[in-house]
Parts: sequence; structure tokens; C-alpha cells
Amino acid sequence: EAGVAQSPRYKIIEKRQSVAFWCNPISGHATLYWYQQILGQGPKLLIQFQNNGVVDDSQLPKDRFSAERLKGVDSTLKIQPAKLEDSAVYLCASSLDRPGYNEKLFFGSGTQLSVL
Amino acid sequence: QKEVEQDPGPLSVPEGAIVSLNCTYSNSAFQYFMWYRQYSRKGPELLMYTYSSGNKEDGRFTAQVDKSSKYISLFIRDSQPSDSATYLCAMRGSSASKIIFGSGTRLSIRP
Repeated sequence: EAGVAQSPRYKIIEKRQSVAFWCNPISGHATLYWYQQILGQGPKLLIQFQNNGVVDDSQLPKDRFSAERLKGVDSTLKIQPAKLEDSAVYLCASSLDRPGYNEKLFFGSGTQLSVL
Repeated sequence: QKEVEQDPGPLSVPEGAIVSLNCTYSNSAFQYFMWYRQYSRKGPELLMYTYSSGNKEDGRFTAQVDKSSKYISLFIRDSQPSDSATYLCAMRGSSASKIIFGSGTRLSIRP
């Protein structure tokens, strides 16, 4: 089966610019996650969707970050305006919404963002 | 205090050695425990998943959970150079709660 697709692979922007990331999850996976992974740290959940709805966005900096998942399939994450501390890898993951499978997250390769 | 603590390493061992990777945690509500492996420039992939306390074995990998000590371990037997990666522990409370990741331990297996 095809994995989680993310684009772009790399992005370099200047501070105060805007940027958007795209994710297409594995077909049939109802749950979609966006994680931020700063160098040397573990992934930190930004937002979790179940189908179209938001399950958890408690750690999303809502003054600058936004995310949407239209039609319960692919998703975009936007940052506007970007700050230096937003430099990180942005990982998208998906999972089946089924007992015993909720812990098996399938990750994409991520988008590496550098803010200069 | 972080909810999940993990020694960042790096840890370097010779090929064939037994590797022990560990995490401690502070939230007694955690019930689901996972180990993910992350190769350079890739997303994490699930290696092992354990519910509550006890041991689980899968090939060369064994996961242990000691809830009384709030301590989890991953053992790798007969380590191979292909095992060189960052290992992330992860855990969650109920099946509806979010997964919390450790910071990862970077492991290098020397041929």
C-alpha cells in the first residue's frame, strides 16, 4: 500500500513569510496527525483530526498556525507569519480509527523547514 | 519535569552486542507503550507496542514495561549495523488521549 505522502520535502523561507505543507494519508485512515520535530527532540503533536473534525489542537500556536482537512482526506498545515523558532521537521502521520491500531502511526518523511 | 524522559545518547556498540534502551515517565495514567525507530531524514516507524505491564518479544526485539517503577525498556539482541537509528519511546493514557514521545536515543552499531 502507498504510504503517507508529504510535500514539499524541504522549504527555506525568511522570518515573517508564510508557508504551507501538504499531506495525503494512507487510504482509509480516518485519523491524521501533524507533528513538529525540532532537532534533537521527539515529535510534538500540533493537531489531530478524526475525519474532518479536530480531536486535539491544544499545542497548536493558533495565532500563527492553521490546519485543515477537507473532505476527511488530505490536509494542509500553514504558518503565517513564520518565526525563527519554527525551524523544524513537520511530520504528518495517519492511523486507522480502530482498537489495537490507534498506536500504529504511519509517518510520512516530513517537510524540513528552515526559517532564516 | 518532562512527562517522558529518554537519554539522548549517542550510544555506540559493536555489532552483535545486546542493546538496552530506556525511558522513564511521570504520568501514572499511561497504559499504552510504544517504541518507534527513526532513520535519518525519515519519519518514525512503529517497532513494538505493549499494553500495560509485562514483556513482549518480536524477533530480536524485546519490550519491557514496569509500571510500578514507571520505566520501560527496549532490548535489541544480536545488533546489526542496520539497527543504527534513533529510537523513540512513546506512550499514551487512554486510547483517546494523545501520544507523548520521548526525545529519542541515537544508536550506532559498529561493524
